[in-house]
Amino acid sequence: KAGVTQTPRYLIKTRGQQVTLSCSPISGHRSVSWYQQTPGQGLQFLFEYFSETQRNKGNFPGRFSGRQFSNSRSEMNVSTLELGDSALYLCASSMGSGGTEAFFGQGTRLTVV
Amino acid sequence: GIQVEQSPPDLILQEGANSTLRCNFSDSVNNLQWFHQNPWGQLINLFYIPSGTKQNGRLSATTVATERYSLLYISSSQTTDSGVYFCAVEREAGSYQLTFGKGTKLSVIP
Repeated sequence: KAGVTQTPRYLIKTRGQQVTLSCSPISGHRSVSWYQQTPGQGLQFLFEYFSETQRNKGNFPGRFSGRQFSNSRSEMNVSTLELGDSALYLCASSMGSGGTEAFFGQGTRLTVV
Repeated sequence: GIQVEQSPPDLILQEGANSTLRCNFSDSVNNLQWFHQNPWGQLINLFYIPSGTKQNGRLSATTVATERYSLLYISSSQTTDSGVYFCAVEREAGSYQLTFGKGTKLSVIP
């Protein structure tokens, strides 16, 4: 079956702009989580959605937001982009119960110039 | 929050050698996974192993939950094993978040 699909794969934006990233989970998975990976901070948790509800949120400013649709697809949005938002954004899907295995997409590499 | 420490941070091996990567965590966990990040950035699942031992080909992993560590063994390493290996834990059921270590960068040379 198809894996986790993230679009787009690469993105270049200018400071001050906003960006929307998309994630389609594995069929049957209802939980989608987002992570940011940078050389300095490593992999950090952004937020998690299940059945269109945010269940947990990491320590990121309010410029980072997300949502989940009824088909479990998720989007994350970053407004007023800063140079420091340049990163690899990874999406993970899982069945949704605690302690279940997470599977990651290929990521979206965002560059802010 | 929970702390996850991986060692060593860097490892260079000759092809065919064996290696052991370690992951220590500071509190009890509900979930532990090992990943290999490929050159394109994708995290490839290796093991879902909150406790016990599992094997998959040349790779095996052991988690001793009571002592708060996990080990990833790579035998007869190949150049394709190169990359960064991450350990990630979920602190408690219902947190729905993985906390990652900083990774071990493995380079296998021919």
